[in-house]
Amino acid sequence: DGGITQSPKYLFRKEGQNVTLSCEQNLNHDAMYWYRQDPGQGLRLIYYSQIVNDFQKGDIAEGYSVSREKKESFPLTVTSAQKNPTAFYLCASSTGTGNTEAFFGQGTRLTVV
Amino acid sequence: SQKIEQNSEALNIQEGKTATLTCNYTNYSPAYLQWYRQDPGRGPVFLLLIRENEKEKRKERLKVTFDTTLKQSLFHITASQPADSATYLCALGSTTDSWGKLQFGAGTQVVVTP
Repeated sequence: DGGITQSPKYLFRKEGQNVTLSCEQNLNHDAMYWYRQDPGQGLRLIYYSQIVNDFQKGDIAEGYSVSREKKESFPLTVTSAQKNPTAFYLCASSTGTGNTEAFFGQGTRLTVV
Repeated sequence: SQKIEQNSEALNIQEGKTATLTCNYTNYSPAYLQWYRQDPGRGPVFLLLIRENEKEKRKERLKVTFDTTLKQSLFHITASQPADSATYLCALGSTTDSWGKLQFGAGTQVVVTP
């Protein structure tokens, strides 16, 4: 089945640690996105990528990093510089032509312990 | 700054009635608007897209209107069912960005009781 897969579903991070969230899609989509969701707030864009080996900062990129070495994969690293990382992280993909729907993964809930 | 507002209070509705949700925006000229459904602990699922030159779109029991003068979209669920209980998000996209970035509202929770 075509879709977008995020892993892990739950992730716990200690203070000062970097953690990486995985996102893989087999929809042959060019564009991929990372959003962060906090209670009572809309999804906020962290990073997005239009093509392989290229990505741009979204509205809240500080403390995060990404890579796009393959079309299918867009991992997100939450670094120790992110002061409030506890949130629900959502990866999405689309054809990237605009005016089209986004397909979302099931999300990763990150908690700082 | 750009702002997208959805009713923050949950909408409680009886089965069989029509649920109407509102999405208002300011300082934005969207080329299209989308509605998504999100269940607890899961990613959003696309429902409908309406373009700036369209007034209304329908899909089964769902209807969306888009008024660019009022800067508002209304989302209707007719003959609502308990299975429709979820949070509904509106999202706006702009032609100035052709790569599908979306600005999301915080969502409105709908609770349909039998």
